[in-house]
Amino acid sequence: QSVLTQPPSVSAAPGQKVTISCSGSSSNIGINYVSWYQHLPGTAPKLLIYENDKRPSGIPDRFSGSKSGTSATLGITGLQTGDEADYYCAARDSSLSAWLFGGGTKLTVL
Amino acid sequence: EVQLVESGGGLVQPGGSLRLSCAASEFYFSLSTMSWVRQAPGKGLEWVAMMKEDGSDEYYVDSVKGRFTISRDNPKNSLYLQMNSLGVEDSAVYYCASGGQKYFGNWGQGTLVTVSS
Repeated sequence: QSVLTQPPSVSAAPGQKVTISCSGSSSNIGINYVSWYQHLPGTAPKLLIYENDKRPSGIPDRFSGSKSGTSATLGITGLQTGDEADYYCAARDSSLSAWLFGGGTKLTVL
Repeated sequence: EVQLVESGGGLVQPGGSLRLSCAASEFYFSLSTMSWVRQAPGKGLEWVAMMKEDGSDEYYVDSVKGRFTISRDNPKNSLYLQMNSLGVEDSAVYYCASGGQKYFGNWGQGTLVTVSS
């Protein structure tokens, strides 16, 4: 049922910047908030960005979010090896009355 | 600090049932929409079910409708997921998460459900 599209993987060197895209449609990203999650296998997923571009307390400003139309983007600057994880976007779909997650993007910090 | 602790996972045969529980502490459980999200082996996160704070509304992903039931006991700060007619495709780590109106704010560590003969 996942109709949020993310690249399977991205990579960059320590200290560099990376962006992860999330593409949806008019019934999900187009009209609802996007949130982003960081997930290390075997651990609890962590909320990184909510309501498109807001950071919870404790999340460094190296992480940023934006939304335009039916797409959203997660940006991470000053990459650290500790940022290696899977990243997921999510949005409610008003037509389906369901939540959708993107397929996930594996970030590798080379 | 908000804590969500899942339990009840395990090995079950196809067609069997399991009941997952999520114990919440240190936050306003009775004021929070609560959700279950799962991750099958080698797959991404998949939202499963959601229940509003007062239990008035519940929502499910199509693949579990009619088989899974989400419920909650606010005085006990607990969330549940009754899973019936389990199939191998339901094998996953199941996470309890607070929220579901706009985002999922807090997550538990998950409980593993394995459906196999």
